[in-house]
Amino acid sequence: KAGVTQTPRYLIKTRGQQVTLSCSPISGHRSVSWYQQTPGQGLQFLFEYFSETQRNKGNFPGRFSGRQFSNSRSEMNVSTLELGDSALYLCASSLEQPLDYTFGSGTRLTVV
Amino acid sequence: AQSVTQLGSHVSVSEGALVLLRCNYSSSVPPYLFWYVQYPNQGLQLLLKYTTGATLVKGINGFEAEFKKSETSFHLTKPSAHMSDAAEYFCAVSEPGANNLFFGTGTRLTVIP
Repeated sequence: KAGVTQTPRYLIKTRGQQVTLSCSPISGHRSVSWYQQTPGQGLQFLFEYFSETQRNKGNFPGRFSGRQFSNSRSEMNVSTLELGDSALYLCASSLEQPLDYTFGSGTRLTVV
Repeated sequence: AQSVTQLGSHVSVSEGALVLLRCNYSSSVPPYLFWYVQYPNQGLQLLLKYTTGATLVKGINGFEAEFKKSETSFHLTKPSAHMSDAAEYFCAVSEPGANNLFFGTGTRLTVIP
């Protein structure tokens, strides 16, 4: 079966711009979670969506937002980009809860 | 509050030697525990997980981990390291019913030929 697909793989943006990242989960998976990975902070939970509803949110500023569509695909948006937003953004899908996470390969965002 | 501590950000072993990666957790309730592996420029792959039942958990690629409640530990081992094991390894904890993981800071494993 197809894995979790994240697009684009690489992205370079300028400080102050906004960016949208996309995640297509494994077919049948209704939960999509997003994590930010940086060398300094490690892996940090951003938010989780289940059946188009945000169920849980990490400790990130309001510039970080997300949504989930009826086909379970998810997008996350970061507005007013800062240099510190440079990171690998990982999406994970599961049937319901993180016991069965499957991660995508990530989107590497570089803010210049 | 939950947290995970991985002792040793870098571990080097010789090919064929024992691999031991350490993980200690903090949780107010009996936790679910996970080990993930990450290869360069890739996402995370689940190696094994502990939820309930047998405390010795066997995973993929010959790895196993033992849940020790008294020591709040979940160390990852493999009897004989292979070159292909070189990667970064993350320990994670979750509460039953929760829908997110708390990750440790990772341990980079180097295998010396």
